[in-house]
Amino acid sequence: DQQVKQNSPSLSVQEGRISILNCDYTNSMFDYFLWYKKYPAEGPTFLISISSIKDKNEDGRFTVFLNKSAKHLSLHIVPSQPGDSAVYFCAASRQNFVFGPGTRLSVLP
Amino acid sequence: NAGVMQNPRHLVRRRGQEARLRCSPMKGHSHVYWYRQLPEEGLKFMVYLQKENIIDESGMPKERFSAEFPKEGPSILRIQQVVRGDSAAYFCASSPGTATYEQYFGPGTRLTVT
Repeated sequence: DQQVKQNSPSLSVQEGRISILNCDYTNSMFDYFLWYKKYPAEGPTFLISISSIKDKNEDGRFTVFLNKSAKHLSLHIVPSQPGDSAVYFCAASRQNFVFGPGTRLSVLP
Repeated sequence: NAGVMQNPRHLVRRRGQEARLRCSPMKGHSHVYWYRQLPEEGLKFMVYLQKENIIDESGMPKERFSAEFPKEGPSILRIQQVVRGDSAAYFCASSPGTATYEQYFGPGTRLTVT
C-alpha cells in the first residue's frame, strides 16, 4: 500500500517558468511533510518542510502548500532554473518517514 | 566536511556472501536511519537506531538483515547470504534528535549482487 504517492514520474518545464510537483497521501496521522531533491549518485538533500498545522511555507524560490482536507501537498519552484533538474521526493512523517516514488524534474534552458 | 558519510560507495557481492554497509552520522547526531531504494522506486524505511538501541525496525526484512549503532564507531547495516533482490542503493540518514524532523542523508552505498 502506497501511503505517499507522486503520480507524475516526470515533469518538463521551461527555464524561468513555474514548476509544480504534486504529492498525495492517505494516512491522516501524518503530521509533518518534507520535500527532498536528489541528484544522480548522491543522497537526497532536504529542501523544505511543512507542519500539518500550516498550509503554506515559503523559502526563497520554493513554496510548499498543504491541503489537509484533500490530503495533498505541492511544491512550487519559481522561477525554475536548469540546476533544479533532479528527482524530487515527497516525504510524510508520523514517527518515521514515508517517501513517495519521486518525480523527475527537467528544466529546459 | 561534517556530513553523513557512508562506505563503501559501491559494493559488489556474489550470491550467498555477506554485505556490511557503514554509516557515520553528522557530528552531534545520535539518531541514524537506514533506507533502501530499489530501481525506479522511492526510498523505503528500514530501521531507526540510536546509540546502542534499535528504536524501530519495522521496515527491516525479518531474515538476513540486521543493524547496529554501537557506542563507538559507525552504524552498520549487515546483510547475510545476499541474493540478487538485495541489489539496491542503501542510504543512511542522521538527525540530532526527535525534536527535529529534518534528516540529513549520506551519499549512499550501491550494492550489486552478482
